[in-house]
Amino acid sequence: AQKVTQAQTEISVVEKEDVTLDCVYETRDTTYYLFWYKQPPSGELVFLIRRNSFDEQNEISGRYSWNFQKSTSSFNFTITASQVVDSAVYFCALSLDSNYQLIWGAGTKLIIKP
Amino acid sequence: EPEVTQTPSHQVTQMGQEVILRCVPISNHLYFYWYRQILGQKVEFLVSFYNNEISEKSEIFDDQFSVERPDGSNFTLKIRSTKLEDSAMYFCASSEPAPLHFGNGTRLTVT
Repeated sequence: AQKVTQAQTEISVVEKEDVTLDCVYETRDTTYYLFWYKQPPSGELVFLIRRNSFDEQNEISGRYSWNFQKSTSSFNFTITASQVVDSAVYFCALSLDSNYQLIWGAGTKLIIKP
Repeated sequence: EPEVTQTPSHQVTQMGQEVILRCVPISNHLYFYWYRQILGQKVEFLVSFYNNEISEKSEIFDDQFSVERPDGSNFTLKIRSTKLEDSAMYFCASSEPAPLHFGNGTRLTVT
């Protein structure tokens, strides 16, 4: 069975600190996709990144970076120099099959204090 | 940038009433989905739709639920007889097939 675990329920940091959100996934499939979505207080879901299982290169997009490690089945997300606007719930998700149904983690609530 | 739009943003209905949630997916997308999120909980898959038929559905998607793409642009979720536990945020998504792009959601409150 597939599963996504986000062990950190809530993280609170002071602005400008770096913060890493953990995501561990379980699957026996060799082909899969990993995602991160952001859900700000307004409630919408915002796509951040999609990664396929054959691409272990780390990715950086501005202050955001992602570390994909198949050896530990992890796909962690780091925000550098955090800002108050980064406050949101962040979801990690996994999909396996051609219809791209997502299996979601429980989410990590990130609070950035000024 | 094209986006998925959902209406209404908030719907209040009485228990037992029928409700229709509407979505306009991104125009060149082929796959459509409904997810829901009960307040403070995980996002849950309801149903996926491709080539004018349901391709997969979860246990949540029972006979009270139905989906339709009536006119080639809208994608609707109907709940026939709402229950209190249907109160949630409902998200529509579409994809080419990937990645999924989500609408802003409809908050359904059943009283």
